[in-house]
Amino acid sequence: AQKITQTQPGMFVQEKEAVTLDCTYDTSDPSYGLFWYKQPSSGEMIFLIYQGSYDQQNATEGRYSLNFQKARKSANLVISASQLGDSAMYFCAMREGSGTYKYIFGTGTRLKVLA
Amino acid sequence: GAVVSQHPSWVICKSGTSVKIECRSLDFQATTMFWYRQFPKQSLMLMATSNEGSKATYEQGVEKDKFLINHASLTLSTLTVTSAHPEDSSFYICSARPRRQSYEQYFGPGTRLTVT
Repeated sequence: AQKITQTQPGMFVQEKEAVTLDCTYDTSDPSYGLFWYKQPSSGEMIFLIYQGSYDQQNATEGRYSLNFQKARKSANLVISASQLGDSAMYFCAMREGSGTYKYIFGTGTRLKVLA
Repeated sequence: GAVVSQHPSWVICKSGTSVKIECRSLDFQATTMFWYRQFPKQSLMLMATSNEGSKATYEQGVEKDKFLINHASLTLSTLTVTSAHPEDSSFYICSARPRRQSYEQYFGPGTRLTVT
């Protein structure tokens, strides 16, 4: 069965430093997609970055990059030059490749950026 | 970008009453809409998947008679919590998958339901 694991319930990072949020996944489907979302205290889910299972290069979106290691089944999010506004809950999610387009979410990591 | 709205953003209701939550895709047509529930400090749990014009598919453990989902058009899905109880108090989030794309879902801002 598909599964997403985020082992860091909480993380602290100093402003302007980089931080890596861990995500590992498990699936037997060769076609899948991996997402990272940010959820601030307001509750909205903000899309950050996407990596497809067949993508050859790691995805990048501004200060966000995804360290995709397929053999290790990991999809860690790297946030460079952290800002105070990055303090939020971060969820890793996987799209099932079975054609249902459903997402399963990890348990999340709460990031706190320190001034 | 694609915008999904939810209404209301928060609602308080009395135990035993029903509450309807709307999810609209404002600038795109959504083939599929999804409903999630999120308890405090927890992850999003998928409740059901709905396709326009057909019955919703519920996840295991979700009572379909309690959580009624109607996907009447390509831009509107509704979730009705029937005979609500305090344990139904939660944050309900919808998402919509555009017809043109295969993978991305766009999330609504969520509805906070409190049942007293």
